[in-house]
Amino acid sequence: SSVLTQPPSVSVAPGQTATITCGENTIGGNIVHWYQQRPGRAPVLVVFDDSVRPSGIPERFSGSNSGITATLTISRVEAGDEADYFCQVWDSSTENAEVFGGGTKLTVL
Amino acid sequence: QGQLVESGGGVVQPGSSLRLSCEGSGFTFGSYAIHWVRQAPGRGLEWVAVLSFDGNHNFYADSVRGRFTVSRDNSKNTLFLQMDSLRPEDTAVYFCAKSDCSSLTCLFDVWGQGVKVTVSS
Repeated sequence: SSVLTQPPSVSVAPGQTATITCGENTIGGNIVHWYQQRPGRAPVLVVFDDSVRPSGIPERFSGSNSGITATLTISRVEAGDEADYFCQVWDSSTENAEVFGGGTKLTVL
Repeated sequence: QGQLVESGGGVVQPGSSLRLSCEGSGFTFGSYAIHWVRQAPGRGLEWVAVLSFDGNHNFYADSVRGRFTVSRDNSKNTLFLQMDSLRPEDTAVYFCAKSDCSSLTCLFDVWGQGVKVTVSS
């Protein structure tokens, strides 16, 4: 099975917390990055190196990695957070290793 | 942080060729590896290829190896993707993305807006 398995969809009400996971059995010890992609737009990096927020990304976005599963958490979800979210790893030691997870559609109810 | 702008997309027939360009600005283009990533309609992101900063090292996804060739002209801050023997399954929006790498990982910190390629008879 895919190392970078993501749930196809997650739905939350405004103000609640959204949790998006990456990895079903093991994330293989890889460092994970997360991207947000709004419809018709290019992806935007929202968390890198498992848990670091780039400048300009709200503190509501956070990440963690247990070595088995990586998690993107969005607190106090807003309507503008509705988008697709992709996890990403880079393992140069393995030819043609997976790079991106399948993506999770976050719906704000 | 920089900007990337793709061009060269279009509608072509199966078996045809197309060359995409990706022009960078606002950063030292010749110091970074640049990747191509594509997204088929309604699907997720698929990594396609990467070319090292100096053009000496390249890697391709299995799905395009032998048909696609990546090259760059650092004097013009431009990366190219030559796509030959195109198939309907190559239909996608193609993004170029700048990578920022450490000894442990690489991430994509600058993305182009994407260019659409449609392969159809």
